[in-house]
Amino acid sequence: DAKTTQPTSMDCAEGRAANLPCNHSTISGNEYVYWYRQIHSQGPQYIIHGLKNNETNEMASLIITEDRKSSTLILPHATLRDTAVYYCIVRAPVGGGSNYKLTFGKGTLLTVNP
Amino acid sequence: DAGVIQSPRHEVTEMGQEVTLRCKPISGHNSLFWYRQTMMRGLELLIYFNNNVPIDDSGMPEDRFSAKMPNASFSTLKIQPSEPRDSAVYFCATGRGSGNTIYFGEGSWLTVV
Repeated sequence: DAKTTQPTSMDCAEGRAANLPCNHSTISGNEYVYWYRQIHSQGPQYIIHGLKNNETNEMASLIITEDRKSSTLILPHATLRDTAVYYCIVRAPVGGGSNYKLTFGKGTLLTVNP
Repeated sequence: DAGVIQSPRHEVTEMGQEVTLRCKPISGHNSLFWYRQTMMRGLELLIYFNNNVPIDDSGMPEDRFSAKMPNASFSTLKIQPSEPRDSAVYFCATGRGSGNTIYFGEGSWLTVV
């Protein structure tokens, strides 16, 4: 499985953009990058995913470098409710077919400060 | 729309007792994952079903753990006999198709004393 490396923790001021980096230097050409977050005592929440193009949705933007070895999740205007652990995951195939699994690492604890 | 529904939300049981955790997938989702989360080990994938068939159970800790998916609307994770080291939050997640986004339930908080 392609492994990911994220900082253990980050801080961000409320109202500012939060930029969360992730390294996935061993990613294969057809492997997607997924981002989830987990607010304390809740189940992980899907944020966004991408293959090689930049993606944007109502929650965040995902910037993937041209060589696909790293990516950045951007929360454009962080709020206190965005305080959570953010997981960057490379979707890995299971067996030899078309099944996939998401293996979670330790993630980045983002703390948004007032 | 209803999300992934897990029950019970909280359970405290004595060592040696059988524990059954339940999961109802989002309607139309045909892949289902059971994860376990502890402070020490983080989120671990236990088992993965696609179309009710177990695809990968390499994460199931030992024979005390078993999981079933008798139909598309229901799955169980059973621990028999339970031990204190099984104390954790158990999450069920489901998705549409075998490689698409998965959505998590709120978890079942298990304490074995």
